[in-house]
Amino acid sequence: EIVLTQSPATLSLSPGERATLSCRASQSVSSYLAWYQQLPGQAPRLLIYDASKRATGIPARFSGSGSGTDFTLTISSLEPEDFALYYCQHRSNWPLTFGGGTKVEIK
Amino acid sequence: QVQLVQSGSELKKPGASVKVSCKASGYAFTTYALNWVRQAPGQGLEWVGWINTNTRNPTYAQGFTGRFVFSLDTSVSTAYLQISSLKAEDTAVYYCARGDYGDSGRYYFHYWGRGTLVTVSS
Repeated sequence: EIVLTQSPATLSLSPGERATLSCRASQSVSSYLAWYQQLPGQAPRLLIYDASKRATGIPARFSGSGSGTDFTLTISSLEPEDFALYYCQHRSNWPLTFGGGTKVEIK
Repeated sequence: QVQLVQSGSELKKPGASVKVSCKASGYAFTTYALNWVRQAPGQGLEWVGWINTNTRNPTYAQGFTGRFVFSLDTSVSTAYLQISSLKAEDTAVYYCARGDYGDSGRYYFHYWGRGTLVTVSS
């Protein structure tokens, strides 16, 4: 099983600041990595897939990069609605697994 | 538009069974895989497995074999997750999610149901 480790666990930032979230895989997942946003009480929302492709309707302030074992989600300028939980997920092989999450909170 | 509508919350006693439904609309049901994802209270996301809606072949993640069963009723575009011999640790929100941008059971999830809370308590 591929383990995805997200860091930091919590990121305290102010609106307008840049957020950088990390996801590290225990073995290479090539570019088969996605990022999701989850607001309280809601289902996750797909933001990025295949490491760097934005899903339909996702604002350009969200970008993804990386390949192999190290990936980054960047939010260029935080909007109030971006304060949420973020998860990464790989689809390299079975089982599909998710990272433990990064909470982006208002400083 | 694509929608996945799940059944309502359930409260069950240990040892009982529960069947969660996920009704799809807005697309051809048998052309996309249907996945199930679990989220225990205050915890992260865990992939339960997926079902091929064309062949009806299910695949379960480790730890979800035996008591977890996926099924379909393609006549009403609905997938089901049945959990038997419920335990307190099965308490969680169970999401159905359409498999997108992938193949052969290796997917990302663009469309999700709102989730069904299953609470197991005596």
